[in-house]
Amino acid sequence: KQEVTQIPAALSVPEGENLVLNCSFTDSAIYNLQWFRQDPGKGLTSLLLIQSSQREQTSGRLNASLDKSSGRSTLYIAASQPGDSATYLCAVRRGSGGSNYKLTFGKGTLLTVNP
Amino acid sequence: DTAVSQTPKYLVTQMGNDKSIKCEQNLGHDTMYWYKQDSKKFLKIMFSYNNKELIINETVPNRFSPKSPDKAHLNLHINSLELGDSAVYFCASSQLAGVNTGELFFGEGSRLTVL
Repeated sequence: KQEVTQIPAALSVPEGENLVLNCSFTDSAIYNLQWFRQDPGKGLTSLLLIQSSQREQTSGRLNASLDKSSGRSTLYIAASQPGDSATYLCAVRRGSGGSNYKLTFGKGTLLTVNP
Repeated sequence: DTAVSQTPKYLVTQMGNDKSIKCEQNLGHDTMYWYKQDSKKFLKIMFSYNNKELIINETVPNRFSPKSPDKAHLNLHINSLELGDSAVYFCASSQLAGVNTGELFFGEGSRLTVL
């Protein structure tokens, strides 16, 4: 059974700092990994999707890496801003076909960027 | 235009009642999902439909019944509501073939409160 862990559970940083959020998963046989952000009372917004054959993806100030063999992914946020404050969730998809379409989520990292 | 839209956004009802939540996506995706987010903010898959066919059916009470009239719609009907059903229910969709296969897009959520 796939388990996804995110560390730390909460993180508070001053504005402008670079930061790293961590995600680990127990079963390395994944199809892809996706990072989301969730603002309070809102749905999830997809940030980056990394297919199992890829090592990293970049979007603006965000960079996500994937090391499938060690069961780890990191989300790097450069020059953090107060608007980055949200809960960041990592989710992995096990494989293709049937019930493998589901994503298994971590519990998230609550990020607060202080002005 | 909202990509994945759910209605209602808020639902307050008494124990024992029956209620429905509707979801529609205009992304042309072939797969739709229902996720439940509990009070601890943990997201868990409930159901998934691919081209109107049920492909994921996690262990949920049979009081929960999904219905997909077409691949753009996935509704969730809940019978005999219980206190423990209080949660935020998220609809999501994805495309299971092509570029960015499996990237999930979420609705804003439907907050159900059972009194």
